[in-house]
Amino acid sequence: AQKVTQAQTEISVVEKEDVTLDCVYETRDTTYYLFWYKQPPSGELVFLIRRNSFDEQNEISGRYSWNFQKSTSSFNFTITASQVVDSAVYFCALSEARTGGFKTIFGAGTRLFVKA
Amino acid sequence: SQTIHQWPATLVQPVGSPLSLECTVEGTSNPNLYWYRQAAGRGLQLLFYSVGIGQISSEVPQNLSASRPQDRQFILSSKKLLLSDSGFYLCAWSDRVGETQYFGPGTRLLVL
Repeated sequence: AQKVTQAQTEISVVEKEDVTLDCVYETRDTTYYLFWYKQPPSGELVFLIRRNSFDEQNEISGRYSWNFQKSTSSFNFTITASQVVDSAVYFCALSEARTGGFKTIFGAGTRLFVKA
Repeated sequence: SQTIHQWPATLVQPVGSPLSLECTVEGTSNPNLYWYRQAAGRGLQLLFYSVGIGQISSEVPQNLSASRPQDRQFILSSKKLLLSDSGFYLCAWSDRVGETQYFGPGTRLLVL
């Protein structure tokens, strides 16, 4: 069955600290997509990254980096030198090709507090 | 570039009243459209998705319905709201199945 687990409900860090948000997924499909979204206090979900199951290459975008490991079914997200503006809820999501890709399953989210 | 609009931004409705939330997408053709609900402090629940005009798939049984009268318009409705319908409603679109979904600003609904 399709499942996304974000075990960290809330994380609190001080500005400039590095923080890693964990995401573990379950799928029976060999073709799938993984996503990270950011939800600031305004509420709108902002797309951050998409990875397909055939691309295990890690990615870095500015202070953000993602570590995709199929062996552990994890897709973790690291923010380097966190800033107050990073405070938000972050969602990891999974979409399976065999279900037509419609059923994107979201994790419960991790609320990140970055204190000045 | 593509943009997605939702309105109203906030809505307070009495129990038993009707509901109509609208979502429109600009800058793309034949998008896949989605309605999600997010309860306070919770994750997202997919309510409906649509791959074309008049084509609606429901994910969970409920007293809500969806319609797609035009290619880039997606409407969420209810004939009689329940207290449990309160939440944050998000509309999203994608170009193709499995592709990235892009979300609108959302509508906060409070049913009293």
